[in-house]
Amino acid sequence: AQTVTQSQPEMSVQEAETVTLSCTYDTSESDYYLFWYKQPPSRQMILVIRQEAYKQQNATENRFSVNFQKAAKSFSLKISDSQLGDAAMYFCAYEGGGATNKLIFGTGTLLAVQP
Amino acid sequence: GAVVSQHPSRVICKSGTSVKIECRSLDFQATTMFWYRQFPKQSLMLMATSNEGSKATYEQGVEKDKFLINHASLTLSTLTVTSAHPEDSSFYICSAVPGSLYGYTFGSGTRLTVV
Repeated sequence: AQTVTQSQPEMSVQEAETVTLSCTYDTSESDYYLFWYKQPPSRQMILVIRQEAYKQQNATENRFSVNFQKAAKSFSLKISDSQLGDAAMYFCAYEGGGATNKLIFGTGTLLAVQP
Repeated sequence: GAVVSQHPSRVICKSGTSVKIECRSLDFQATTMFWYRQFPKQSLMLMATSNEGSKATYEQGVEKDKFLINHASLTLSTLTVTSAHPEDSSFYICSAVPGSLYGYTFGSGTRLTVV
């Protein structure tokens, strides 16, 4: 069974600085998708970034980028120029390449942004 | 963009009663919807996969007789918590996949409190 591990329960970053959130996963599949979701205090889940496993190029979305290391099964999220609005719980998630389309979430990292 | 509307956002019910939570896809058809449960400061745990026109698929350990799922149309899935007890108090979230370009879209969640 696939698993997703986030080893950092909490992180803190100064406003305008850069922070990296870690995520590792375990799977025997070769085709899959990885996601980072943000959950602010409103608890609405917001897609931050998505990576297809078959793509070697790391995904980027404005200030958010990933470091996808397929062989190491690592998928970290880098947030550059951190803003107060980035404060939230961040979840790493895995979706297998099969037909089930189930998302498997990590335990989350609570990010605090200090002014 | 694709929107999933979830109602109610909050509900308080008495122990022993049933509560229905609705999840609607507003601008797309969702043959499959997912229901998650989230305890405070914890991750999202998949409860069941709802399939339009057929029986839901429940995850291991989820009581199908307690958490009734109905997906009678391509835009509506409902979760009914039957004979609710205080331990059923939690945050329930639904999601759907509008298409490969969008990834998963989540409802805004329902906070259930059983007193």
